Amino acid sequence: SYVLTQPPSVSVAPGKTARISCGGNSIGSKSVHWYQQKPGQAPVLLIYYDSDRPSGIPERFSGSNSGNTATLTISRVEAGDEADYYCQVWNSSIDHVVFGGGTKLTVL
Amino acid sequence: EVQLVESGGGLVQPGGSLRLSCAASGFTFSHYWMSWVRQAPGKGLEWVANIKQDGSKKYYGDSVKGRFTISRDNAKNSLYLQMNRLRAEDTAVYYCARVSRLWYFDLWGRGTLVTVSS
Repeated sequence: SYVLTQPPSVSVAPGKTARISCGGNSIGSKSVHWYQQKPGQAPVLLIYYDSDRPSGIPERFSGSNSGNTATLTISRVEAGDEADYYCQVWNSSIDHVVFGGGTKLTVL
Repeated sequence: EVQLVESGGGLVQPGGSLRLSCAASGFTFSHYWMSWVRQAPGKGLEWVANIKQDGSKKYYGDSVKGRFTISRDNAKNSLYLQMNRLRAEDTAVYYCARVSRLWYFDLWGRGTLVTVSS
């Protein structure tokens, strides 16, 4: 089955840039989607189709995808960005949704 | 208001059954694939199942295939998850989610907690 690998945690100082990776075999050939989940809340769609933002999502959040790694980039990090972040793809070979293990972003 | 509201969670013994419901409002439910996604306590997201707009196609995660059944009633704007032969490892918050443009989730409910324990 297809596996998405995320670092368990990433730490960043306020105002700096955070980058969260999502690794998978030839993930660049798939569409990657990202979700933000704050404690006690449901996930929220953050990025879809690698780099598109739903309405209401700040431009500080961006995505890229190439080769074996997709990346979520959060610019000018704020305390309110502290959350868990998940990447997701569709494995068309077996009609399965796949989530990465999640990355906890800590704002120092 | 566009929203999804889950219900039906609770405490159930191992080997037991439970039926979850998800009420959709504010959008044309019959136009969308729908899904269930779960999250065990302190763990990450795990996809459970998808169902096509007319119910003609259903896909399941490996850990629930053969035990869980996803269904829908478009006349009632409702999604369901019948869970049989429940195990302790099925303990999780179960989220109902709308699938957009194949395959990402653009709308989530608040979730309902299922606890499997004796």
